[in-house]
Amino acid sequence: AQTVTQSQPEMSVQEAETVTLSCTYDTSENNYYLFWYKQPPSRQMILVIRQEAYKQQNATENRFSVNFQKAAKSFSLKISDSQLGDTAMYFCAFMKPNTGTASKLTFGTGTRLQVTL
Amino acid sequence: SQTIHQWPATLVQPVGSPLSLECTVEGTSNPNLYWYRQAAGRGLQLLFYSVGIGQISSEVPQNLSASRPQDRQFILSSKKLLLSDSGFYLCAWSSGQGLSSGANVLTFGAGSRLTVL
Repeated sequence: AQTVTQSQPEMSVQEAETVTLSCTYDTSENNYYLFWYKQPPSRQMILVIRQEAYKQQNATENRFSVNFQKAAKSFSLKISDSQLGDTAMYFCAFMKPNTGTASKLTFGTGTRLQVTL
Repeated sequence: SQTIHQWPATLVQPVGSPLSLECTVEGTSNPNLYWYRQAAGRGLQLLFYSVGIGQISSEVPQNLSASRPQDRQFILSSKKLLLSDSGFYLCAWSSGQGLSSGANVLTFGAGSRLTVL
């Protein structure tokens, strides 16, 4: 079974600064997907970024980028130019490829990020 | 575009009472559907998933059940609620079209907060 570990329960960053959230995972699969989801106070789960394990290039989405280290099974999220609206719980998640059945996500326990003035 | 609706948003129920949470998806056909639970301060745990009408897979033994009476409708139920059923329940969908660049992304509903007293 896959496991996802987020070792930082809480983090704080000042507005306009950069912050990195850590995530490690354990799997025997060679091909898989990794995700970062954001859960703001509204509790809506919002996809932030996705990485396919067979792609060596790190994914980026505007101010969000990842550092994917497949050999180390590490998948960190970097938020640049942090904004107050980035305040949320951030979840790292793992998914095996969809091979005709459902795409099941395994989540970490989350990192609560507070962006301050 | 696809949208996912989940209701009720908030529910307070006494121990031993029944439960019905509903989830519907619009703008797509043959979606894969999921129910996740988020306990306070914890990550998301997959409860049930469905790849088609009447097809339900359970991930963990529990007091809850799920049904899919229509292609885009997913219902989470209980005959008698327990205190431990309290939590935040999230419905999600993903494409059932097999491997593609978007097939593996889960989109979540706004969630239902259940308090059992």
